[in-house]
Amino acid sequence: GENVEQHPSTLSVQEGDSAVIKCTYSDSASNYFPWYKQELGKGPQLIIDIRSNVGEKKDQRIAVTLNKTAKHFSLHITETQPEDSAVYFCAASSSTSYGKLTFGQGTILTVHP
Amino acid sequence: DSGVTQTPKHLITATGQRVTLRCSPRSGDLSVYWYQQSLDQGLQFLIHYYNGEERAKGNILERFSAQQFPDLHSELNLSSLELGDSALYFCASSVGGWGSEKLFFGSGTQLSVL
Repeated sequence: GENVEQHPSTLSVQEGDSAVIKCTYSDSASNYFPWYKQELGKGPQLIIDIRSNVGEKKDQRIAVTLNKTAKHFSLHITETQPEDSAVYFCAASSSTSYGKLTFGQGTILTVHP
Repeated sequence: DSGVTQTPKHLITATGQRVTLRCSPRSGDLSVYWYQQSLDQGLQFLIHYYNGEERAKGNILERFSAQQFPDLHSELNLSSLELGDSALYFCASSVGGWGSEKLFFGSGTQLSVL
């Protein structure tokens, strides 16, 4: 089955800096890659996603890039703010996985004011 | 607010007991997914129902079962509870159920088995 590796496990940045979180996946059939943000006491919140027919997608300060050949995808947050502090999860699924998402282990992002 | 409702928010029970977790999907969503989140295992897929029928199973123990009712709400039943079952249980929903689509998560049920 699919395996998703996520790095780093913790990331500490100063407000205004950029943050990058990287994931690799194993199943070449995976074609959908969402990113979730989880705040303390809450469920994972979908923040951005990308499909395999697209190499990059941007939404304001958040961008995701996908390299299908290398089976890598990354989350980029620019101009970080303290409210960006949370746990971020990458995930992968395929058209044949019936919606099952395989998650990475998560990255604890801390943005210092 | 994702539109996915889970109850109860917290559940404290003893080993050997049985509990039921409830989930109402977003309006219009036909699929419900259950995930377990623990510190050592991360977010693990348990089971997926689409329009009342089981669609896929993940790492779900035989002591656990689920169903989706005609009104599309779902229940996750956990029986013969063990200390190791203590975790956050999330429900998610999506419009369809064929894969590669957006999942929206509820706020979870924190289960503590004492």
